[in-house]
Amino acid sequence: DAGVIQSPRHEVTEMGQEVTLRCKPISGHDYLFWYRQTMMRGLELLIYFNNNVPIDDSGMPEDRFSAKMPNASFSTLKIQPSEPRDSAVYFCASTDRGLIAEQFFGPGTRLTVL
Amino acid sequence: AQSVAQPEDQVNVAEGNPLTVKCTYSVSGNPYLFWYVQYPNRGLQFLLKYITGDNLVKGSYGFEAEFNKSQTSFHLKKPSALVSDSALYFCAVRDPYNTDKLIFGTGTRLQVFP
Repeated sequence: DAGVIQSPRHEVTEMGQEVTLRCKPISGHDYLFWYRQTMMRGLELLIYFNNNVPIDDSGMPEDRFSAKMPNASFSTLKIQPSEPRDSAVYFCASTDRGLIAEQFFGPGTRLTVL
Repeated sequence: AQSVAQPEDQVNVAEGNPLTVKCTYSVSGNPYLFWYVQYPNRGLQFLLKYITGDNLVKGSYGFEAEFNKSQTSFHLKKPSALVSDSALYFCAVRDPYNTDKLIFGTGTRLQVFP
């Protein structure tokens, strides 16, 4: 298996622009997590899905952030409009219940908002 | 509140020497504990986990961790450090109130000097 796939790996955009981050989980995994990592705040859980349904979005910082999972093999995290403070590395991770919460992380998307 | 603490921001050790990265936890019930490693510009990689059974857990790359219930600790250890072990290490515990989620520590940067 190729593991969790994220695209793009790097994104540089200007303040106010829309940003879409993409994730393909490991085949057969029914949980998908979006995290944000910054020096100041460490690793934060933004939202997670089970069987394509959002379960907990309490970590989503603002209404500017939205996430979707239209099918079992694809998820997006969208920021609209983007702000410089959104600059961070965004990780996607997946797992299934049989793994007792062990999560598999993608390589991350480094977002820079100018 | 359920939490994980990594008291050291950075650990420095000479190559060939034993290393310890500390982790303490505060959760209700029996903890499910994890260690992850993050190499530069990469996602988190699973190292090992403790669910039940033997208090000494062996994982990838020669790492092991010791679960100590009385001290509520789960320290990561390796008998002989390698320069290539230099990375950011995260301790995590499964949230007992939402077993889909992991609670991560703030991370400890391990620097192994030649």
